[in-house]
Amino acid sequence: QKEVEQDPGPLSVPEGAIVSLNCTYSNSAFQYFMWYRQYSRKGPELLMYTYSSGNKEDGRFTAQVDKSSKYISLFIRDSQPSDSATYLCAVHNAGNMLTFGGGTRLMVKP
Amino acid sequence: EADIYQTPRYLVIGTGKKITLECSQTMGHDKMYWYQQDPGMELHLIHYSYGVNSTEKGDLSSESTVSRIRTEHFPLTLESARPSHTSQYLCASSTRTSATDTQYFGPGTRLTVL
Repeated sequence: QKEVEQDPGPLSVPEGAIVSLNCTYSNSAFQYFMWYRQYSRKGPELLMYTYSSGNKEDGRFTAQVDKSSKYISLFIRDSQPSDSATYLCAVHNAGNMLTFGGGTRLMVKP
Repeated sequence: EADIYQTPRYLVIGTGKKITLECSQTMGHDKMYWYQQDPGMELHLIHYSYGVNSTEKGDLSSESTVSRIRTEHFPLTLESARPSHTSQYLCASSTRTSATDTQYFGPGTRLTVL
């Protein structure tokens, strides 16, 4: 079983839609959870990180962690075509390294 | 925007050639990493470094080697390139004291071996 699993998509939504991106992880010891955004032919850039359970909001983006079900989510409100990218979740593992999910490709259509 | 640079951005090379992919960061970060990413696939860690003169192999076996002689510089070398090395190579850095190990990525080098 992979440490972090993510649906590869692609996920296609109309502009203005609320987007929900999700990951599951296997190790309940993980404490830090991150979302990276990667545009085509670019390196990933950090969007948000959260510690333990709960929600964190930054503009149109909300990261949510449910440690009881080992489920992490990223919500994008009022999605824009510029949000079209691959979104990678990552967990900070016991080895003090990051383990990435495979990424979900999002397409927001005007 | 993160100050981490990779050169070249694109490289097409013939089988058997020796190549070095450059990575530099100006943030003074102790930790640096190399990932390999095939199109539409996940990131695989191939090398990392905790600081000068420290290098470790990552989760994915790789025929490449790395060196860390200066804090800001973490080059990756392939002694004899093969078509199976065709991929995108991403360099990243982070601060050792950061509990979150937030990694900042360079733009990547897209390597094609003919």
